[in-house]
Amino acid sequence: AQKITQTQPGMFVQEKEAVTLDCTYDTSDQSYGLFWYKQPSSGEMIFLIYQGSYDEQNATEGRYSLNFQKARKSANLVISASQLGDSAMYFCAMREEESGGSNYKLTFGKGTLLTVNP
Amino acid sequence: GAVVSQHPSRVICKSGTSVKIECRSLDFQATTMFWYRQFPKKSLMLMATSNEGSKATYEQGVEKDKFLINHASLTLSTLTVTSAHPEDSSFYICSARDVIGLAPEDTQYFGPGTRLTVL
Repeated sequence: AQKITQTQPGMFVQEKEAVTLDCTYDTSDQSYGLFWYKQPSSGEMIFLIYQGSYDEQNATEGRYSLNFQKARKSANLVISASQLGDSAMYFCAMREEESGGSNYKLTFGKGTLLTVNP
Repeated sequence: GAVVSQHPSRVICKSGTSVKIECRSLDFQATTMFWYRQFPKKSLMLMATSNEGSKATYEQGVEKDKFLINHASLTLSTLTVTSAHPEDSSFYICSARDVIGLAPEDTQYFGPGTRLTVL
């Protein structure tokens, strides 16, 4: 079973509108971390936002917010006021605790290609 | 934020040669670095975890003799693709953990990647 599921291969949004990118995860750990990264066509992976499993409030970073619903095991990324420069691939990732101590490995979803239209 | 560099950004080599890729953390010390491989339009696949001063931990299915990893200092890890073949052509990207910075300690910061083409 996939640990990170991103069901939207591609998404389109109009400039200045908000968009939600879906991410669901599967883990039996109590302690884990969820990340969103942006990968433009240049290839670099840019860290956007982090949500810890024990964080009670949804994470926010500027125009990015993470809609964390623990019971549903979902961690959707919301981008407000989309800009043309937001067009990129977006990856959801999870860090789980492993027995014997965490080594901070990340498991990535397959990604969602976001296109912002002018 | 934490900056990670990779060199070279692109490399083209002949089949049978070896290629070394460097990953550097520029403004922080990284006890742990990670090496990923990414095929076109695919997700990142973790190849190995590199810990400073010790042997790398390879993921299942990754040949440790083919992909040599060295993490000799707190700011530098290298990946050497030995006896490269066309099927090794891919986008290789490294990341590093900044354990002292303001971000959560398990945040990985990525380099810009290296595109390897083996002819």
